[in-house]
Amino acid sequence: GAVVSQHPSRVICKSGTSVKIECRSLDFQATTMFWYRQFPKQSLMLMATSNEGSKATYEQGVEKDKFLINHASLTLSTLTVTSAHPEDSSFYICSAKITGGAEQPQHFGDGTRLSIL
Amino acid sequence: GENVEQHPSTLSVQEGDSAVIKCTYSDSASNYFPWYKQELGKRPQLIIDIRSNVGEKKDQRIAVTLNKTAKHFSLHITETQPEDSAVYFCAASILGGFQKLVFGTGTRLLVSP
Repeated sequence: GAVVSQHPSRVICKSGTSVKIECRSLDFQATTMFWYRQFPKQSLMLMATSNEGSKATYEQGVEKDKFLINHASLTLSTLTVTSAHPEDSSFYICSAKITGGAEQPQHFGDGTRLSIL
Repeated sequence: GENVEQHPSTLSVQEGDSAVIKCTYSDSASNYFPWYKQELGKRPQLIIDIRSNVGEKKDQRIAVTLNKTAKHFSLHITETQPEDSAVYFCAASILGGFQKLVFGTGTRLLVSP
């Protein structure tokens, strides 16, 4: 149980393109989802906390107009990288926390490798 | 905010040896400390976690110890195997609420046959 599906797994696109990444909790409801970015050989850095039905909370230094987050249902959060540039190339990973599971761990998706040419 | 430091950054051991990875955290309010294993290009996988009401937890070859006073916790892997080779991340969080995880910098473990 507690499966998180992330799609797509890999994106290669031209500079200036907007890219949407989906994060779905398949067998549980997730009021809260998290979006992380991981550069090669580095740690996971939290970008934002996504809350169903409300605005996302962004970490310091993360541009909310650049990284649009929508959490429209209890099983789906999306991250849109707008007007992507080569410096946005990274591994983006989402995680989800079971609703009401204050003491449950986060469950991670498989990640999306974004390459901007 | 919370800051998590992790050492060493790389660790090479021979198969069968033990491996120890150490982390320190800064926020005394943190009460949940998971450890993740990440293979190249894959998702982080939770391998063990510990809450602040216990000092040690064990699961077969893996154990985690926590010293709340000193604000540090460690991962111990015994009888290492080549398939243990991966990057290991510690993290700290506060249970309840949003449970925001702050990750350590990672340790690349290489187990040689």
